Amino acid sequence: GEDVEQSLFLSVREGDSSVINCTYTDSSSTYLYWYKQEPGAGLQLLTYIFSNMDMKQDQRLTVLLNKKDKHLSLRIADTQTGDSAIYFCAALTSGTYKYIFGTGTRLKVLA
Amino acid sequence: SAVISQKPSRDICQRGTSLTIQCQVDSQVTMMFWYRQQPGQSLTLIATANQGSEATYESGFVIDKFPISRPNLTFSTLTVSNMSPEDSSIYLCSVDSNNEQFFGPGTRLTVL
Repeated sequence: GEDVEQSLFLSVREGDSSVINCTYTDSSSTYLYWYKQEPGAGLQLLTYIFSNMDMKQDQRLTVLLNKKDKHLSLRIADTQTGDSAIYFCAALTSGTYKYIFGTGTRLKVLA
Repeated sequence: SAVISQKPSRDICQRGTSLTIQCQVDSQVTMMFWYRQQPGQSLTLIATANQGSEATYESGFVIDKFPISRPNLTFSTLTVSNMSPEDSSIYLCSVDSNNEQFFGPGTRLTVL
């Protein structure tokens, strides 16, 4: 089945860019997502990309998809302390129509 | 987007008891999902609940332990039965709307 992997931690300084990486195994995944989870809260959908796209930009967020390498990244420009959270990558599998979540990356923004 | 509410937001329960979690959506949706998020972990899908049919459970989850109801297109319940401390977790419901998945705020369950 699909496996989605992420690095566990990332620390950046306020104002710098953050890049959170994700790899997945199922090449037939149709949609790939980024979610944000703040302490004590549910998951907030940040953005997503369809598998036939290479890049999607939405304000400070840029998603890059390398389908050949099955690699997804989320770049946050001008990172703020309010961006400190856990970021989950997820893939929608085409066959079983399930969302498979990565392990989550804890982003810490230093003032 | 869909707005989802869950009740209760948190609870502390004694082992051996059961808790029913409610999930309400502000629009009609076909697919609803129930997830568990154990402390410091990612999300694990418990089951998919479609209106008018039995819930489909993932490996490791059974109906006797996690019975689910889906009486209409805007509501679902998940019951955690005969609880043990290992059931302490956050339980999240979510809905799929046009290939976007939206989550409720979660129910934080602690079993003593």
